[in-house]
Amino acid sequence: GDSVTQTEGLVTLTEGLPVMLNCTYQTIYSNPFLFWYVQHLNESPRLLLKSFTDNKRTEHQGFHATLHKSSSSFHLQKSSAQLSDSALYYCALSHNNNNAPRFGAGTKLSVKP
Amino acid sequence: GALVYQYPRRTICKSGTSMRMECQAVGFQATSVAWYRQSPQKTFELIALSTVNSAIKYEQNFTQEKFPISHPNLSFSSMTVLNAYLEDRGLYLCGARVSLGGLEQYFGPGTRLTVL
Repeated sequence: GDSVTQTEGLVTLTEGLPVMLNCTYQTIYSNPFLFWYVQHLNESPRLLLKSFTDNKRTEHQGFHATLHKSSSSFHLQKSSAQLSDSALYYCALSHNNNNAPRFGAGTKLSVKP
Repeated sequence: GALVYQYPRRTICKSGTSMRMECQAVGFQATSVAWYRQSPQKTFELIALSTVNSAIKYEQNFTQEKFPISHPNLSFSSMTVLNAYLEDRGLYLCGARVSLGGLEQYFGPGTRLTVL
């Protein structure tokens, strides 16, 4: 079945440094949809990015990711971390309307001054 | 914009009792509703996917007998946790998928279940 693997545990960064959170996936389907959700403390997950187009960069709120089917990856990046970026980040995979997205284990990003 | 409400936001039940939670999509029609449980360790477990006019698909380790779901129309779904025990505690999230849209889901705030 489908699975998603993310950078595990806690990532701590100093404000202003670049962010890279890894996400790789496994699926037998050739047209996966990949998502990044962000969950701030005491809030529900909110969609940050999505993509289903191979090798096309998608951007939102300073974050970007590119789906690479050749390496089954959808890494999340940002050029400069902000304190407000501290949150839980989840990578998720879906492939059609008959399947709900499956989430990775989540990566906690902590940005320090 | 797409909004998803969940009720109740928090609930406490005694071990062995049952509780029902609701999910309401406002401002859009949800072609499907997925129920997830977020554990205290923050991992996501997919419980089931409910699509109107289709059978509900339960994931391994989750059954209709334990987590019966009702999805009568495109804006409302409910799920009951029957005979709740300590391992059932967590944040139950409802994710609604917009009809004619992409495959992303919009999440409600969740129902936090504490089992005593």
